[in-house]
Amino acid sequence: DADVTQTPRNRITKTGKRIMLECSQTKGHDRMYWYRQDPGLGLQLIYYSFDVKDINKGEISDGYSVSRQAQAKFSLSLESAIPNQTALYFCATHLAGGPYEQYFGPGTRLTVT
Amino acid sequence: AQSVTQPDIHITVSEGASLELRCNYSYGATPYLFWYVQSPGQGLQLLLKYFSGDTLVQGIKGFEAEFKRSQSSFNLRKPSVHWSDAAEYFCAVLFNRGGADGLTFGKGTHLIIQP
Repeated sequence: DADVTQTPRNRITKTGKRIMLECSQTKGHDRMYWYRQDPGLGLQLIYYSFDVKDINKGEISDGYSVSRQAQAKFSLSLESAIPNQTALYFCATHLAGGPYEQYFGPGTRLTVT
Repeated sequence: AQSVTQPDIHITVSEGASLELRCNYSYGATPYLFWYVQSPGQGLQLLLKYFSGDTLVQGIKGFEAEFKRSQSSFNLRKPSVHWSDAAEYFCAVLFNRGGADGLTFGKGTHLIIQP
């Protein structure tokens, strides 16, 4: 089984709808991240969490919110989806204190029409 | 400002030829450095990393990378590419050694392998 899972893997939604992307991990890592990937832009950090009570904004947090329900679960919400939020979304984890490589989920492809 | 640059958006290499993908960063100290690969429709897989010590690091799938402090570079190399190496390659940097702020990614280099 994969260490970092994301659901759904693909989603098409309409403008204005609320949508939640979920991430679960079995690695026991305390730190979790949400990234967005757009063609030609690499990955940009949306939000990150160091533990259940510690949530931090990344470089492109506007229009997004997150919830860290447990150490193993980190959800990303789009309160009112808009077409320019169409992208590939990745969840990642790593362990505080190292090693510092991040482990990525398979991604969620979101299309907002 | 902290930044990561991958100067080549696309690179085309013949199968069996050598490969070098460039990565430069802007930072006043030595960060942690990573290369990830993303195959079509897949997530990101770590190829290799540099934290300290030997500046030539070996990774999976026959890749290696060399950290050059004087050039603020961390270029990825492979002596002989295979068709299965066709993918998107991302250089990533952890500027905050405590792990805060997450990784900063370059914009990626798309590798095309010619038969």
